[in-house]
Amino acid sequence: DAKTTQPTSMDCAEGRAANLPCNHSTISGNEYVYWYRQIHSQGPQYIIHGLKNNETNEMASLIITEDRKSSTLILPHATLRDTAVYYCIVRVGGRTYKYIFGTGTRLKVLA
Amino acid sequence: DAGVIQSPRHEVTEMGQEVTLRCKPISGHNSLFWYRQTMMRGLELLIYFNNNVPIDDSGMPEDRFSAKMPNASFSTLKIQPSEPRDSAVYFCASSSEDSEQFFGPGTRLTVL
Repeated sequence: DAKTTQPTSMDCAEGRAANLPCNHSTISGNEYVYWYRQIHSQGPQYIIHGLKNNETNEMASLIITEDRKSSTLILPHATLRDTAVYYCIVRVGGRTYKYIFGTGTRLKVLA
Repeated sequence: DAGVIQSPRHEVTEMGQEVTLRCKPISGHNSLFWYRQTMMRGLELLIYFNNNVPIDDSGMPEDRFSAKMPNASFSTLKIQPSEPRDSAVYFCASSSEDSEQFFGPGTRLTVL
């Protein structure tokens, strides 16, 4: 059973920030939130992950609410190459873990 | 590193035939995952291994599907007999305890 819900699709203007929301209201205290994206039919590509604190890397920022029931992935300056399906995922398990994928958000970056 | 390697990249077969998909994980990774992706069901985890041992095969659709991991550098997913509804893209991914999962390029399977 998917543990995340995301909007089906979103549009964003090139050069603007893309903010992709995700609800994970049933997440447990030790479960991480991961974000991946999939361009065309390629294998999903890792973007970022977090547990409680906000995270930032060279690709994106992840904002997690204090109650951990939702998060937002931020692409600060979207480009046409960021057009993809973005998956918000809950990682379950400890040393041997698995991902529970949701249905993803199809982001289209417009010129 | 070459990343996760999957073969073949494309497979077209007829209903009833046996299909074997292959995966080579990233060296040093001790977990391996098999996923299936279709338009209707999205990305589904079929089975995963840790240190070559199957940990969770609850996603395997039925007895026609089987997976093996004879050593740390090779895994197979076999479908016998294949059916048209098995048509999908099959992804293999690998990870270590301290890393995220790295996905391969996938095998596009078409069963006629």
